Parts: sequence; structure tokens; C-alpha cells
Amino acid sequence: GENVEQHPSTLSVQEGDSAVIKCTYSDSASNYFPWYKQELGKGPQLIIDIRSNVGEKKDQRIAVTLNKTAKHFSLHITETQPEDSAVYFCAATPGGNSGGYQKVTFGTGTKLQVIP
Amino acid sequence: DGGITQSPKYLFRKEGQNVTLSCEQNLNHDAMYWYRQDPGQGLRLIYYSQIVNDFQKGDIAEGYSVSREKKESFPLTVTSAQKNPTAFYLCASSKGQRGGEQFFGPGTRLTVL
Repeated sequence: GENVEQHPSTLSVQEGDSAVIKCTYSDSASNYFPWYKQELGKGPQLIIDIRSNVGEKKDQRIAVTLNKTAKHFSLHITETQPEDSAVYFCAATPGGNSGGYQKVTFGTGTKLQVIP
Repeated sequence: DGGITQSPKYLFRKEGQNVTLSCEQNLNHDAMYWYRQDPGQGLRLIYYSQIVNDFQKGDIAEGYSVSREKKESFPLTVTSAQKNPTAFYLCASSKGQRGGEQFFGPGTRLTVL
């Protein structure tokens, strides 16, 4: 099955600096890679996602890059703000043209702390 | 205002008791999921349901049971057979079966006393 590894487990940055979180996956059939942000005591929320036919996607201060050959994808947050402090999860979902459930495999999470 | 609700937010249970966690969604989603979250670990899938009256075991189904009698509801029962039930439980839903965004509820923190 799919295995997703996420690094680092914790990350502290100064406000205004950039933060980068990296994930690798094992199943070359995976084709959908969402990133979720989880604030303390809440459920995860999707912040950005990318599909395997795209190498990069950007949404304001957040960007995700995907390298299918190397099987890794990264989350980039620029100009970090204190409200960016949270746990971030990457995930991978296998593709395929058939129907049926396609399991989402999550990384172990990165706790990001933005220091004012 | 569409979304997923979970109740209760906090739940305390004595050893040997079964407890049921509620999950309701008004997003008209077909698929629903239950995850368990432990510190330092990712989300682990307990059960999922693609359609009413059907559900499948996930990676860690032992000691848990579910039902899906209505599209909107997917309750999870943590039975006394679950050896280490203290955790944060998350319910999610998605539109369909193929890879796509999952919408999460706010979670229930279960503590066994």
C-alpha cells in the first residue's frame, strides 16, 4: 500500500520568513495530493491540493510543488504570520479510472510555530 | 450553512463501557469516514462508507463498529474490545469515491478513565 513520509515533524520560523514542509510517497499510482491545516482542537481543513498532471500550484502565500519522478511534494508558505501556526498534514490518494473507494494516506504531520 | 458536526466534543468513558460518537453532515456527500488521531501520528482510517447501508473496515477497525442507515449520519461505536480507545476521533465526508477533498468535522476527544 501507499506510504507517506513527512518532514520535519516540528518547524519554528520567525514571522515573515518562509516555511517548507516536505513529503514523499511510495505508490506511483497516486495522483491527488492535498494539504490540510489543523488548528488546535479542530478538524483538518484543506488549504491547497495538486494533481499529478501539474507541477506547481499557488494560492496567495501558499504554494505546492510536485515531482512525480522523485515521488515527493512540498508545501511552501511565504511571509508567515502567527495565524499560520498549526499542524499541517500532507496526503496522497491513488488514481485509476475504475470506481470504488480510493484510500487517502496521510503523513504524520508537521507542527509549525510562527514566532512573532 | 453546510458542514459536518460531531458530538460530543469531549467524552469520558469508564473501562468496559461502549460509547457512541455522533457524526452528521448536510453536504449531501455520499462517502463518510472515521479516523483516529494520536499524538505524533497521522490520521488512521477506522471505517468508511461509500453509500447508505454499506460500510467497509479501514486499517484499524478492531474494537469499533459503525452503521450507515441514513446518508447524513455515520455514528461510530467504540466498544469495550478496543484496547486503547483514548484518542481524538475525526469524522469526514466527501462527494464521491475518487480522490478528492475530504471535509472534516471538529472531532471528539475520548478519554477512558
